[in-house]
Amino acid sequence: SQQGEEDPQALSIQEGENATMNCSYKTSINNLQWYRQNSGRGLVHLILIRSNEREKHSGRLRVTLDTSKKSSSLLITASRAADTASYFCAPLTTDSWGKFQFGAGTQVVVTP
Amino acid sequence: DVKVTQSSRYLVKRTGEKVFLECVQDMDHENMFWYRQDPGLGLRLIYFSYDVKMKEKGDIPEGYSVSREKKERFSLILESASTNQTSMYLCASSFINSPLHFGNGTRLTVT
Repeated sequence: SQQGEEDPQALSIQEGENATMNCSYKTSINNLQWYRQNSGRGLVHLILIRSNEREKHSGRLRVTLDTSKKSSSLLITASRAADTASYFCAPLTTDSWGKFQFGAGTQVVVTP
Repeated sequence: DVKVTQSSRYLVKRTGEKVFLECVQDMDHENMFWYRQDPGLGLRLIYFSYDVKMKEKGDIPEGYSVSREKKERFSLILESASTNQTSMYLCASSFINSPLHFGNGTRLTVT
């Protein structure tokens, strides 16, 4: 298994703006998942993108995957104060048996 | 909806005590995980179980052990609690290669 590295570490934006964060990983993956964590709570799964997919949408979320660069991005459009949270990526390798490892995350603050 | 329940939200223990953190899931998931989360360090995997009585060490297993006697329950044991084990502990479960479902965490303070 491997962990993803999120970038930037922190992001501060105004409501209505878009927020973009990136994830890099090292070895071939089966899929990559993004999670959100509100302060003091557990993580919540947002979206899963498989290695043969390039882009996926879910509501205001857009995830891209570039396997040649071993990177993924998460875009939150028209952000709201409720999007304030930490965001984590989790790349899953084919031999990991579902063993997830997480990086330090991107802390997003959306100001009204 | 999947429910992952951690037995305590907040726990205060003394140095040297044996501490049990319990986690129960209701979705018949094969995999269960224990993580600890510290500021600036993200989530670090302590132990992982892919079946009853099966376990694998994660990145930081020292000072911890686990027990999985039934599929729905995964316990984390601190054999002799120390102050550097003060942390947020998160339990999660999943089917193989599927998204994780997390509990709300146990904030443990060791004094």
